Amino acid sequence: IAGITQAPTSQILAAGRRMTLRCTQDMRHNAMYWYRQDLGLGLRLIHYSNTAGTTGKGEVPDGYSVSRANTDDFPLTLASAVPSQTSVYFCASSDSAGGSGANVLTFGAGSRLTVL
Amino acid sequence: GQNIDQPTEMTATEGAIVQINCTYQTSGFNGLFWYQQHAGEAPTFLSYNVLDGLEEKGRFSSFLSRSKGYSYLLLKELQMKDSASYLCAVQDSNYQLIWGAGTKLIIKP
Repeated sequence: IAGITQAPTSQILAAGRRMTLRCTQDMRHNAMYWYRQDLGLGLRLIHYSNTAGTTGKGEVPDGYSVSRANTDDFPLTLASAVPSQTSVYFCASSDSAGGSGANVLTFGAGSRLTVL
Repeated sequence: GQNIDQPTEMTATEGAIVQINCTYQTSGFNGLFWYQQHAGEAPTFLSYNVLDGLEEKGRFSSFLSRSKGYSYLLLKELQMKDSASYLCAVQDSNYQLIWGAGTKLIIKP
């Protein structure tokens, strides 16, 4: 089934540890995104990539880094986790980075991260 | 600043009709989206409006008024499976999505 795979599904992490959330898509979409979702807040964009080899900062990029070595993979790394990074993280992709028309996103199932 | 407002929670009865409102103030406008998100799951795309008026898709319809910065999602013949959060998002002048906090819809038998 075509879509986005995220791993891990859930993780409990000690503060200060390094963590990488994995995201792989098989739809050959150009654009990929990382969002965090917190209770009472809308989805907030962390980082994005309009095409392989390029990345950009979103609304809340501090403490996170990404890479886009190829079309399919877009890992998100927390270099030194802090409790405020406790959240549900969603990876998403779209076949259009914008410029015209609807930029419809397909989301992965999410990764629930708890930082203690 | 950019802002998307929608009610936090709504309750409706199975078989009835419910309207979920969304108002927005953004830097530019390139379309408005509605997504559905069941608890513990990923958001899934429902509708996209870029021109004023009503878009109908089965039991779900979405309306847009650009001059009023207003949209609503209309759900007819409610089913228990419609219990979910409904997310409103606006594509701004840079084609970035600005998201509302979502409306949790509770359906009662």
